[in-house]
Amino acid sequence: QQPVQSPQAVILREGEDAVINCSSSKALYSVHWYRQKHGEAPVFLMILLKGGEQKGHDKISASFNEKKQQSSLYLTASQLSYSGTYFCGTLMNSGGYQKVTFGTGTKLQVIP
Amino acid sequence: EAQVTQNPRYLITVTGKKLTVTCSQNMNHEYMSWYRQDPGLGLRQIYYSMNVEVTDKGDVPEGYKVSRKEKRNFPLILESPSPNQTSLYFCASSSTSGRAIYYNEQFFGPGTRLTVL
Repeated sequence: QQPVQSPQAVILREGEDAVINCSSSKALYSVHWYRQKHGEAPVFLMILLKGGEQKGHDKISASFNEKKQQSSLYLTASQLSYSGTYFCGTLMNSGGYQKVTFGTGTKLQVIP
Repeated sequence: EAQVTQNPRYLITVTGKKLTVTCSQNMNHEYMSWYRQDPGLGLRQIYYSMNVEVTDKGDVPEGYKVSRKEKRNFPLILESPSPNQTSLYFCASSSTSGRAIYYNEQFFGPGTRLTVL
């Protein structure tokens, strides 16, 4: 079952902040975040693991609430280059389980 | 340059005509995967492979086949394509480095836009 992302779309002015949420009904081991610009392939942003470990870009921040099976991506002081569709990918808490399930995406548009 | 390549990039075909989309990576990654992307549905995993000769189904495997005979290649085979397989397809790879895909980012290919008439 795909995780649910919210909002589905958001428009920001440069400099504004945004939060994108990702929620799963299943126990998660890790959450991955990717950004896809129009006509391009998805590009890695962040990985958050159960237990608090994180890996990703310095200018991006995110959180992972293991109890609620939710993750949030925080975009602060947005720039035009932040525009694109953001996907969260979830990996279940099961030994050896290697399947990645992505959400349907959040379309972010940053305007001048 | 480290990359994932896919061929062809664009393909228009007819129902029932077998086709193969190739995927190759030059990063010595163990993990490779195929996704399809449809409007409003996001990225959905078709198949993944944890290493040579090890493949497993993703969320939408029906109508697709894969094989992993070499570490660098992971072709996607549609033996009898149908119009509902019209989609944008992405191949991705990842280094598992003993910690599995949980902790490692995927590198995506440029995509293959497939139209089945």
